[in-house]
Amino acid sequence: LAKTTQPISMDSYEGQEVNITCSHNNIATNDYITWYQQFPSQGPRFIIQGYKTKVTNEVASLFIPADRKSSTLSLPRVSLSDTAVYYCLVGPFPASNYQLIWGAGTKLIIKP
Amino acid sequence: DVKVTQSSRYLVKRTGEKVFLECVQDMDHENMFWYRQDPGLGLRLIYFSYDVKMKEKGDIPEGYSVSREKKERFSLILESASTNQTSMYLCASTLDRVGGYTFGSGTRLTVV
Repeated sequence: LAKTTQPISMDSYEGQEVNITCSHNNIATNDYITWYQQFPSQGPRFIIQGYKTKVTNEVASLFIPADRKSSTLSLPRVSLSDTAVYYCLVGPFPASNYQLIWGAGTKLIIKP
Repeated sequence: DVKVTQSSRYLVKRTGEKVFLECVQDMDHENMFWYRQDPGLGLRLIYFSYDVKMKEKGDIPEGYSVSREKKERFSLILESASTNQTSMYLCASTLDRVGGYTFGSGTRLTVV
């Protein structure tokens, strides 16, 4: 089972690009990397998912190097509303005897 | 957008009560999950289901059971609530075996 390591917290300022890195040294061949955002008293919200190289959508980019032992979530031009906890999740999706492991998350604080 | 609805945002129950937490999704998703989230422990998988009447144990099934009689509804049951089951409970669903979860808003359960 892949275990992830993320920074506990990060600060940045409005308008800046923020990069959050997740380490997953034991990632398996069939594992995907998924990032979620969570605001207080809400469920996590899916941001982006990737397997290798680079994935981009309307809110973020995900960079995955060739060895796939880490990944970086990139948030362009952050605003105050991006203050949240960000989770990196590694694993395949449901199958018998499968258990997901969620990391502790990175608390991102955006300052004016 | 897929919507996952949890029947209650806040619940207060007494020790020993039987508690039902209901979750409904509106997009014909096959896979549904129940998590609990506690400070410092992250999200932990209680049970998941990949088909009607099918269920699989997650990390922490003890003290819980689930029911999935219809595809759109996944219920979590605390047979005899205890104070250590005070937590935020999150329901999620996903369409296929590789995809992001859609979470509900959560139910904050307090057992007194």
